[in-house]
Amino acid sequence: GAGVSQSPSNKVTEKGKDVELRCDPISGHTALYWYRQSLGQGLEFLIYFQGNSAPDKSGLPSDRFSAERTGGSVSTLTIQRTQQEDSAVYLCASSPRSGAAEAFFGQGTRLTVV
Amino acid sequence: QQPVQSPQAVILREGEDAVINCSSSKALYSVHWYRQKHGEAPVFLMILLKGGEQKGHEKISASFNEKKQQSSLYLTASQLSYSGTYFCGTGSGTYKYIFGTGTRLKVLA
Repeated sequence: GAGVSQSPSNKVTEKGKDVELRCDPISGHTALYWYRQSLGQGLEFLIYFQGNSAPDKSGLPSDRFSAERTGGSVSTLTIQRTQQEDSAVYLCASSPRSGAAEAFFGQGTRLTVV
Repeated sequence: QQPVQSPQAVILREGEDAVINCSSSKALYSVHWYRQKHGEAPVFLMILLKGGEQKGHEKISASFNEKKQQSSLYLTASQLSYSGTYFCGTGSGTYKYIFGTGTRLKVLA
């Protein structure tokens, strides 16, 4: 596609439910990043993929959070047993390579846990 | 580990200049600058690699001092369209972009 696509754009879920957030990166981009942005706050690093591998998962806030990437393309961020503090905008970015290269961001998924 | 940006917020009149600073406690390999408008995704402005280079993008330029582990973004003759939150993203020789605390900039007519 022309840019990074994320779905859904908005998600309202009840506390305790599981949610899946999807990121479709720019074709050919090997690096993929997930960030979380709480209201009025900065960008919190969650996880990075190089191809299908995730060398660094240290940013995931708890074991309720997991992510995978298949075929070196689409990535899914899963949050189990959602809590109200999980409410935030989840941003995905992709880059043609890791390190010193421009990252292109998707529009994000706004998650609200009620 | 998160880079610290200063100032946290700044208000300008059209045509005025501003400087946004980004400081890291870790050795840096690269610095990236992004601008995010309200409700939108961050948009890439420029990237600087170690070597103290300075780059420009229209009336926006930046410098990178790897020894001081600092970068500065220079906004010259600001325009209304410059309003937004500016983030620096720092790389330490690996893949991880850690973004700074952000600087909210508002340009008034």
